[in-house]
Amino acid sequence: EAGVVQSPRYKIIEKKQPVAFWCNPISGHNTLYWYRQNLGQGPELLIRYENEEAVDDSQLPKDRFSAERLKGVDSTLKIQPAELGDSAVYLCASSSRGGASTGELFFGEGSRLTVL
Amino acid sequence: GESVGLHLPTLSVQEGDNSIINCAYSNSASDYFIWYKQESGKGPQFIIDIRSNMDKRQGQRVTVLLNKTVKHLSLQIAATQPGDSAVYFCAERAGTDKLIFGTGTRLQVFP
Repeated sequence: EAGVVQSPRYKIIEKKQPVAFWCNPISGHNTLYWYRQNLGQGPELLIRYENEEAVDDSQLPKDRFSAERLKGVDSTLKIQPAELGDSAVYLCASSSRGGASTGELFFGEGSRLTVL
Repeated sequence: GESVGLHLPTLSVQEGDNSIINCAYSNSASDYFIWYKQESGKGPQFIIDIRSNMDKRQGQRVTVLLNKTVKHLSLQIAATQPGDSAVYFCAERAGTDKLIFGTGTRLQVFP
């Protein structure tokens, strides 16, 4: 079974440019998460989806970040415009309904963003 | 700054020895705890979990201990192998709230 797939793996952009990340969760997983992981730190939740609905976006900087999960499967996370402090690894994770209650999230390999 | 984040707590052990990785959690209302393993360039991988009504849970070569009195969690890895080298994160959750990840501990295994 394929795991969570993310692209691109690496992205280098100049500040003020836009960037987008794409995530394909494990088939059948209703819950999708976007996390940001700064160097040497644990992941921090940006947004959580249950199917198409964003049920927790309290940590998403809405002035420059946006996310969508059309049709309740794939998701995109966009930053516009990017700032130097946005340099991080953006992780996508998914879980089944049971996983959401047990904490077993399946993570992708992440998209490493460098803003110059 | 970023250089501070690079200085993860590090545990160095010899292959075959047992490893103990510790974690202090912050929220006394947390009732569910998870350990994740993250290898370089990869996403975190679920290892083992424990609920607050337990104080010990065992898996294959791993044991998690929970001490709610002092809000402390530990992960014990028996007969540590080179493939165990990674950064280990504990995470906590209160009810249906979101998972909160700790800073992480780097485990280095030497032959």
